[in-house]
Amino acid sequence: GALVYQYPRRTICKSGTSMRMECQAVGFQATSVAWYRQSPQKTFELIALSTVNSAIKYEQNFTQEKFPISHPNLSFSSMTVLNAYLEDRGLYLCGARDSYEQYFGPGTRLTVL
Amino acid sequence: GDSVIQMQGQVTLSENDFLFINCTYSTTGYPTLFWYVQYSGEGPQLLLQVTTANNKGSSRGFEATYDKGTTSFHLQKTSVQEIDSAVYYCAMRDVRDNYAQGLTFGLGTRVSVFP
Repeated sequence: GALVYQYPRRTICKSGTSMRMECQAVGFQATSVAWYRQSPQKTFELIALSTVNSAIKYEQNFTQEKFPISHPNLSFSSMTVLNAYLEDRGLYLCGARDSYEQYFGPGTRLTVL
Repeated sequence: GDSVIQMQGQVTLSENDFLFINCTYSTTGYPTLFWYVQYSGEGPQLLLQVTTANNKGSSRGFEATYDKGTTSFHLQKTSVQEIDSAVYYCAMRDVRDNYAQGLTFGLGTRVSVFP
């Protein structure tokens, strides 16, 4: 079956430092990967959509300079939260999609101290 | 811009009660509509989806009808069980310029079912 793994599942970083998170698609080819953030008491907010061999499209309020994303092949993507501050805390979700369906990972929960 | 509205933040029910979660959407395109369920400590899982207007999706006893006239996609289940306790998200994915967009989620509805 199709699965999406994310790691780490939980992480803590000091304010002003950076944190890299990874997303692995197993059992299908992830032609596109979407990264979302769920801040406390809020819904999932799209950060960016990445399609292999195409430019990564960032949503308003999110930038490549703050959330650089790599999507080198059909099974892997990573995103870094640079210079993290308190407002960056939350659950970061990876949604990997093939031609038929989008599959979500369990998320990486980021705590910023 | 695109939006998905779920008015109910929390619903508390007893087993075998009827569940109804309101969802309306707003977009200029031709969206596919989804319901996702998120259990504690996990990412959201697809519950059901409907691509074509006026069609109904169903899964595990849950149903939702894509009503283009009222721009709604309400979720319902006739008889809930304790295992249905979770957060339910209504979501939408539009397609513009033949390019699939990311999902737009509603705020979520926490459903608590007690025996």
